[in-house]
Amino acid sequence: DAMVIQNPRYQVTQFGKPVTLSCSQTLNHNVMYWYQQKSSQAPKLLFHYYDKDFNNEADTPDNFQSRRPNTSFCFLDIRSPGLGDAAMYLCATSRDGLREQYFGPGTRLTVT
Amino acid sequence: QKEVEQNSGPLSVPEGAIASLNCTYSDRVSQSFFWYRQYSGKSPELIMSIYSNGDKEDGRFTAQLNKASQYVSLLIRDSQPSDSATYLCAVNKGSNYKLTFGKGTLLTVNP
Repeated sequence: DAMVIQNPRYQVTQFGKPVTLSCSQTLNHNVMYWYQQKSSQAPKLLFHYYDKDFNNEADTPDNFQSRRPNTSFCFLDIRSPGLGDAAMYLCATSRDGLREQYFGPGTRLTVT
Repeated sequence: QKEVEQNSGPLSVPEGAIASLNCTYSDRVSQSFFWYRQYSGKSPELIMSIYSNGDKEDGRFTAQLNKASQYVSLLIRDSQPSDSATYLCAVNKGSNYKLTFGKGTLLTVNP
């Protein structure tokens, strides 16, 4: 089945220790998104790629970076996690950015 | 005015009843509209998409869109306890490939 996969599902990191979250898709979609979602809040878009074109949201902290080495994979790097970065990180894909977005299962990040 | 507004709830309905969820949006150029279901601790799951005025039915779910009044709704017929979740309304303006989400409505279906 075509799908969006995120690894790991749960990640525990120490304050200030870099962490990388990964997302892969078998849908062959052009657009990939990273969202941050905290409890009882809507998903907050961090950035997205349309093919190789990177689009950063204005309020995304510099601490968050992303890479998309090929169509199938996208990574979220948090360079120096703070306690406030503890959240669910969601990857989503869309065929053309105008239609549905399909979410992966998410990675729950805990910062100690 | 928020871009996408939903009643946060909680909305409580008895099993077997119709649950009605509503969403309004502020930008008239919005083109695509989606409903996602999110269980606690899980990721959003797409349940309906609608692009043109009128009703769209899929099983127990009906999405309704009225662009003139700038609202979109979701009806869930024969509600089941397994429908208990947060329902997110999302809107795509079509110009920037992004979705704007409402804050979600928490639905509880009581057995």
